[in-house]
Amino acid sequence: QVQLQQSGPGLVKPSQTLSLTCAISGDSVSSSRTTWAWIRQSPSRGLEWLGRTYYKSTWYKDYAVSVKSRIIIDPDTSKNHFSLQLHSVTPEDTAVYYCARDLHGARSFDIWGQGTMVTVSS
Amino acid sequence: DVVMTQSPLSLPVTLGQPASISCRSSQGLVYSDGNTYLNWFQQRPGQSPRRLIYQVSKRDSGVPDRFSGSGSGTDFTLEITRVEAEDVAVYYCMQGTHWPYTFGQGTKLEI
Repeated sequence: QVQLQQSGPGLVKPSQTLSLTCAISGDSVSSSRTTWAWIRQSPSRGLEWLGRTYYKSTWYKDYAVSVKSRIIIDPDTSKNHFSLQLHSVTPEDTAVYYCARDLHGARSFDIWGQGTMVTVSS
Repeated sequence: DVVMTQSPLSLPVTLGQPASISCRSSQGLVYSDGNTYLNWFQQRPGQSPRRLIYQVSKRDSGVPDRFSGSGSGTDFTLEITRVEAEDVAVYYCMQGTHWPYTFGQGTKLEI
């Protein structure tokens, strides 16, 4: 049974970096069958895909245009997890952040993490 | 980006009665492989989204058969034959055909 367990702080100061980790059990971050994504949800923006990483002979990363200049998603094969870093945050980045799995060919999100509420405030 | 528009945004229902949610996309959702990547998610209060339906009409494992999906092109529907109390949730459609994937704004099902 595949599970995703998120961790990270729930409060970040403006201009600082939001950092979250998604630990994978029952699957591998470097599987050639899967893509690993971050999605956020806020009342103002709804559900918003932020970016993804996947391995197919080499690592690939894609980011949403809205955050492309500020985001890094990194896999860690030694810990079987992947992380999200969002730099220079503002109160507009306040949201519930989710990690999720997308099986190649499914073009969907079949497994989700439990969600982390992140508030950007001084 | 493809815009997904759901209606209604709020759906009062009676237990045991049917319910229907519409989702329209701003572009057709047939992918180059011939499949249509339209999904439906259920989000109960305080929980993460849970996928119910993928590729328009395929139910995920464990999803009750009272949930069904249909549609084609740009118009899609999620139907619940007989609403139960556990179905109180917000329902989202999501397209996976065009990059980036995009979600509808959600429909709140209320008893």
